[in-house]
Amino acid sequence: EVQLEESGGGLVKPGGSLRLSCAASGFNFNIYSMNWIRQAPGKGLEWVSSIADISSYIYYADSVKGRFTISRDNAKNSLHLQMNSLRAEDTAVYFCARSWRVGADFDYWGQGTLVTVSS
Amino acid sequence: QSALTQPASVSGSPGQSISIACTGTSSDVGSYNLVSWYQQHPGKAPKLMIYEVTKRPSGVSHRFSGSKSGNTASLTISGLQAEDEADYYCCSYAGSSIPGVFGGGTKLTVL
Repeated sequence: EVQLEESGGGLVKPGGSLRLSCAASGFNFNIYSMNWIRQAPGKGLEWVSSIADISSYIYYADSVKGRFTISRDNAKNSLHLQMNSLRAEDTAVYFCARSWRVGADFDYWGQGTLVTVSS
Repeated sequence: QSALTQPASVSGSPGQSISIACTGTSSDVGSYNLVSWYQQHPGKAPKLMIYEVTKRPSGVSHRFSGSKSGNTASLTISGLQAEDEADYYCCSYAGSSIPGVFGGGTKLTVL
């Protein structure tokens, strides 16, 4: 059974940092692209970042470029999102999702982890 | 990259059919057959319902179907059921620089 479990969310002050993780199991993690998608409270889905299977291709939304860094550890079946210089508008539930292609056709999603940026 | 455009809400009675449009541009929906649709119930993670414009993942009801014409994709749900009441989001691949773009979401109400 495919499982994705996010962790690392919490309350952080503006300008602070957080590192999200996504533990994957039940599939061959090495051959899939992985993605972070977020949803602000009461709002729609927003694609944040994607990383290809062997980390050779990495993409970011303009809203997080230069502040967030996506990475993966294929040996540990894990995906990470380092978030720096956090702003109030980064407050959201962050989902990790699996796909064959970066940024498209997300077939399995985790349950999400809430990040709240507030003073 | 601008979000794709969806109606804020649609409604239908049980047994009826409804369609949700998702309008993009020639840079996303119009250029790639990589439109997907997601169903999200309150407090839950999104669920993939349609991928590559028309394909249904295993386990998704045949009542759900997808299509595309030009820069607009559509999700059609036939034989509406109470459990179909949810938010629906479209998503399109948008090229190698910023690959993913979502629509704003549509709230489906089953009357």
